[in-house]
Amino acid sequence: GENVEQHPSTLSVQEGDSAVIKCTYSDSASNYFPWYKQELGKRPQLIIDIRSNVGEKKDQRIAVTLNKTAKHFSLHITETQPEDSAVYFCAPVVGLTLTFGKGTMLLVSP
Amino acid sequence: GAGVSQSPSNKVTEKGKDVELRCDPISGHTALYWYRQSLGQGLEFLIYFQGNSAPDKSGLPSDRFSAERTGGSVSTLTIQRTQQEDSAVYLCASSPGGALFVETQYFGPGTRLLVL
Repeated sequence: GENVEQHPSTLSVQEGDSAVIKCTYSDSASNYFPWYKQELGKRPQLIIDIRSNVGEKKDQRIAVTLNKTAKHFSLHITETQPEDSAVYFCAPVVGLTLTFGKGTMLLVSP
Repeated sequence: GAGVSQSPSNKVTEKGKDVELRCDPISGHTALYWYRQSLGQGLEFLIYFQGNSAPDKSGLPSDRFSAERTGGSVSTLTIQRTQQEDSAVYLCASSPGGALFVETQYFGPGTRLLVL
């Protein structure tokens, strides 16, 4: 099956700084790469995704970059705000099933 | 419209008892997923339903776990003879179900199960 790793497991930044979370996967057949945000006690919500025919996608302060050769994709958050504090999960897809990483806890301090 | 709903929101049970967890997907969504999230862990895939096709049960951790989906809509996840390690949040998600490519999954609020 797919092996997924996220780094770092925790990330603390000051408000206004940038944050980058990296996700590596093992199955070269993966073709869809979403990132989910889960606030404390709430359900995961999709924040950005990218398909395998695209190298980068941006939506306001967040972006995702994909390196299929190296089998990793990264979440970039610029100008971080306290409300960005949450756990972020990558979930590369093989077939029709997502395999979630263990999550990265992002803490943005005012 | 209404999102994915799950019930109960919280369930406390004694070890050895059976529990049933319910998921109501978004109307019209043909794909339905169950996940488990243990404290401080990522989401673990359990089972996937797509329309009338045979479900993908590859994530079920043991034969104590089963799920069904009646009429292509509501799904029930059943855990028999619960164990303490079954304590987790059980999340359901649905998607429109294009079957040819993966679509965004919409998650329910989860059922928090505690086995004493």
